[in-house]
Amino acid sequence: QKEVEQNSGPLSVPEGAIASLNCTYSDRGSQSFFWYRQYSGKSPELIMSIYSNGDKEDGRFTAQLNKASQYVSLLIRDSQPSDSATYLCAVKGEYGNKLVFGAGTILRVKS
Amino acid sequence: DAGITQSPRHKVTETGTPVTLRCHQTENHRYMYWYRQDPGHGLRLIHYSYGVKDTDKGEVSDGYSVSRSKTEDFLLTLESATSSQTSVYFCAIRTGKTYEQYFGPGTRLTVT
Repeated sequence: QKEVEQNSGPLSVPEGAIASLNCTYSDRGSQSFFWYRQYSGKSPELIMSIYSNGDKEDGRFTAQLNKASQYVSLLIRDSQPSDSATYLCAVKGEYGNKLVFGAGTILRVKS
Repeated sequence: DAGITQSPRHKVTETGTPVTLRCHQTENHRYMYWYRQDPGHGLRLIHYSYGVKDTDKGEVSDGYSVSRSKTEDFLLTLESATSSQTSVYFCAIRTGKTYEQYFGPGTRLTVT
């Protein structure tokens, strides 16, 4: 069973700080990596996709991928209370059409 | 908004009764997925479809069946609901050549 691991948290950061969320995966051949944000009682919302090693920036969000170490991270700069949510990491393995999701990290941004 | 709706949004049913959940999309995407989400387990894939009448099992398929007779509709059936199937069920679609998935609003199912 291919696994995706995340620290469940909660991760608490003060408003304006950088929040760093991490994810490791077991399938070395994984190709595509995604971060979803899920507010309580709502459905997951795709916020970042990353496919190659390095950094990808989109506004206050930066996804970082290191395939050699099998981890992907999400940085949120200038964290806001509205960023408080559960962040899910998802990975597409080397084969097939399925994503494997981590259990999620709860982020709390305190004002 | 990926044009995905789920029905019903909430349902309470008794153990042993059949239940069907519907996922409807408006954009003719080929791939559709059913997940369940439970505390501590994240999202787990139940079944997915890669075309009309083409389906495959996910990691937690026992006790569930699916059907896709039209591109726009993907049905999830619990033949005889059990309390362990109390969960939030999400449908998702995959767009284009990337593997990005977009989720519907979810169905909260309670089996008493």
